[in-house]
Amino acid sequence: SYVLTQPPSVSVAPGKTARITCGGNNIGSKGAHWYQQKPGQAPVLLIYYDSDRPSGIPERFSGSNSGNTATLTISRVEAGDEADYYCQVWDSSGDHPDVVFGGGTKLTVL
Amino acid sequence: QVQLVQSGAEVKKPGSSVRVSCKASGGTFSNYVINWVRQAPGQGLEWMGRIIPLFGAPNYAQTFEGRVTFTADESTSTAYMALSSLRSEDTAVYFCATTYDYSNIHLDYWGQGTLVTVSS
Repeated sequence: SYVLTQPPSVSVAPGKTARITCGGNNIGSKGAHWYQQKPGQAPVLLIYYDSDRPSGIPERFSGSNSGNTATLTISRVEAGDEADYYCQVWDSSGDHPDVVFGGGTKLTVL
Repeated sequence: QVQLVQSGAEVKKPGSSVRVSCKASGGTFSNYVINWVRQAPGQGLEWMGRIIPLFGAPNYAQTFEGRVTFTADESTSTAYMALSSLRSEDTAVYFCATTYDYSNIHLDYWGQGTLVTVSS
């Protein structure tokens, strides 16, 4: 089955840029999606199809995807961005199509 | 704007079954791809499968095949997830989440989650 690998944690100072990576075999050929989850809340879709933002998501959140790595970039980080972030792909390559999530990355704002 | 409202928390005994509901409003229910995702305490997200009411036939993640059943009632715009033979490891928050995108599933709208606790 397809595996997505994220760093368990990333720390960043307020106002700086955070980058969260998501590694997977040839993930650049799939559409990568990203979610933000704050404690006690449901996840929120941040980025879909590598770099598109749903309405209401600030432009500070952006995404890219190439080769074996997708990246979520958060510019001008704010205290309110502290949360868990998950990448996700739709793996339709085998007999059993699956939604696959990365293990999640906890973003700490210093 | 799609809104999903799930049923309340459940406490179940090992070996029993649970059914969680997810009532949708906004949009066209039959066209949704309704997904179920769970999250054990302190853990990440785990996809359980999906159902498209328009087509009826569900797809289950291999981990759950044989133990989970998804249904959808178009008359009430409500989806259901039933999980049987519960064990302590099934203690988790269960989410429904939807999209209209059939070709590359991403989860646009989420329910608030339902905590299922399995304990003797």
